[in-house]
Order: sequence, then C-alpha cells, then structure tokens
Amino acid sequence: ETGVTQTPRHLVMGMTNKKSLKCEQHLGHNAMYWYKQSAKKPLELMFVYNFKEQTENNSVPSRFSPECPNSSHLFLHLHTLQPEDSALYLCASSQDRGSGANVLTFGAGSRLTVL
Amino acid sequence: GQNIDQPTEMTATEGAIVQINCTYQTSGFNGLFWYQQHAGEAPTFLSYNVLDGLEEKGRFSSFLSRSKGYSYLLLKELQMKDSASYLCAVMDSNYQLIWGAGTKLIIKP
Repeated sequence: ETGVTQTPRHLVMGMTNKKSLKCEQHLGHNAMYWYKQSAKKPLELMFVYNFKEQTENNSVPSRFSPECPNSSHLFLHLHTLQPEDSALYLCASSQDRGSGANVLTFGAGSRLTVL
Repeated sequence: GQNIDQPTEMTATEGAIVQINCTYQTSGFNGLFWYQQHAGEAPTFLSYNVLDGLEEKGRFSSFLSRSKGYSYLLLKELQMKDSASYLCAVMDSNYQLIWGAGTKLIIKP
C-alpha cells in the first residue's frame, strides 16, 4: 500500500471516552504532521514530528496526545474531548522539514464527532 | 499577523475558465502552494511557486507576484470533476505553512 493511510475514517465518542487515531505512511518520508480541519477555517497545525522527534506543538490542549513510535506511524490519542473538538483530523507526511519545496502528502482524514 | 485570503466559494460552468485568487501577508516567503481537496478526500498537491511568473501544468496554471503578495490558480476547460475546494498556502521565513480557508469551486453543467 502506498500513500498515507488513516484509521478510523469516522469516529463518534463521548466526552469521557479515550480513543486513538492512527496514521501510516509508506513513502519513506521523515516528517509527519497532525492537522485539524474545521469547516470554512484554515488548516490548523497541531503537531510535527521529524525523524520521530516532536519538533512542534502548537499550543494544543493536553487532551490531545501524539505518539510517533517510528518514522512510518503516527498516533493521536484522544481523552476527555469537548464538542468543539469535532472536526476532520488530517495526517500528512513530507520528505523532510525546513525546506522550501516541502510538498505534503495527506491522508483522507478521520472525521471525529464528540457528543 | 500572518494572513491568507481567498474567496470562500466560486461557481463556474463546465468547459469554461476560472481564476481563483489568493493574497497573502506573511513573515517572509519561501514559496506558495496550491492543493485540491475533493469532499471527503485528502488534499492533493497541485503546484508550487517560488519565483514570479506563471507555471503551467496541463489544464491548471499557477501565477505568483511576490511584490504584490498575490497568486492565482487558473483552471481551463473545466470538468465536473474539478468541483472541489482549492487551498492556498504560503511557507514563511521559518518554513511554517500558513493556510487559507480554501475556495469551494462549484462546476455547473
């Protein structure tokens, strides 16, 4: 399988649940990203990993916890979410971080609904 | 602050030409990207401009004017499958991507 794969595609959870989103890339990329996409808003960068090390955390609430066990896999652990966290969560990867022509390859996203 | 502006929605007719504009104000500039996102799908890369001028790729072209902080995406011979959102993003001096909110393009027969 090629590209960036995200599971699950859809997730409904209560505010007290714990769930995880998974992202996998088979492109040999070194950088992986989590973005939040809400309707009619710009993509919000949440976390960046470069060579498995977290390099950015854009003031994301602690109820979102990322994990990058290796350069091919990225997780987003969810705990005690709020209804306003309902959104599409996109995973992306790129060859590296910090160059101009840094093209991102995105997954199709996990649509999260928090009740 | 940093800002990317693009129209929220545009409508065009199959077979016609449409131009989607993007203006930006960022801290430095390391290139401008256009991505296409069909409903329920992943954004996919369309083009990258770092120098002024027009880049053509088949039916799609992207233009950049750094002095004006302006870009446009030109789509020719529109097809129904071009109905999608088009995202403009600028890489600033810290290699951070600043995103616009996207333009939803509706193609009518």
